[in-house]
Amino acid sequence: QVQLQESGPGLVKPSGTLSLTCAVSGASMISTYWWSWVRQPPGKGLEWIGEVYHTESTNYNPSLKSRVTISLDKSNNLFSLKLNSVTAADTAVYYCARVPPFDPWGQGILVTVSS
Amino acid sequence: QSALTQPASVSGSLGQSITISCTGTSNDVGGYNYVSWYQQYPGKAPKVIMHDVSHRPSGVSDRFSGSKSGNTASLTISGLQAEDEAHYHCMSYTSSSRRVFGGGTKLTVL
Repeated sequence: QVQLQESGPGLVKPSGTLSLTCAVSGASMISTYWWSWVRQPPGKGLEWIGEVYHTESTNYNPSLKSRVTISLDKSNNLFSLKLNSVTAADTAVYYCARVPPFDPWGQGILVTVSS
Repeated sequence: QSALTQPASVSGSLGQSITISCTGTSNDVGGYNYVSWYQQYPGKAPKVIMHDVSHRPSGVSDRFSGSKSGNTASLTISGLQAEDEAHYHCMSYTSSSRRVFGGGTKLTVL
């Protein structure tokens, strides 16, 4: 059974960098799947952030591309998200997921941007 | 990229059928059979209930069905049950090798 688990700080200061990690268990990251990050601001819909393949190829949401980096660590079966220059608008629950389709999902982690 | 368009809310009575639409463009919904649907309960992670337009994952009730016509995909839930009350999100692959979600629809079962 494939499981994903997000981890990282729940509070980030404005203008700082949001850094999250997703640990993958029950499956190798070297497969035909992409590994993706999605976020959901409080009370709002889902927003695709981007994804990484085991070849380290990446795709990003154009609206976030200038601030986002997604990378993977195949030896430790995890992938990471870095979002820089954060503002209050980046406050959201951040999910990691295997794609396609988006399944399974991690449980999500709430990240608040506040001083 | 713009989010796919979904109605903010739909409602239906127990036992009835409802349909949730998801409208995009020829660069996403209309161009690929890679539309998926997700059910989300409050405080929980989304769960896939339909992929590749009309394929239902193992374990998902056959009361859920998916279809697509042109740039609009649809999720139909028949025989509404109280447990179907949730948010539903559509997602499509796009021509730029990206993915885009809809704004989400809140389903209320009356």
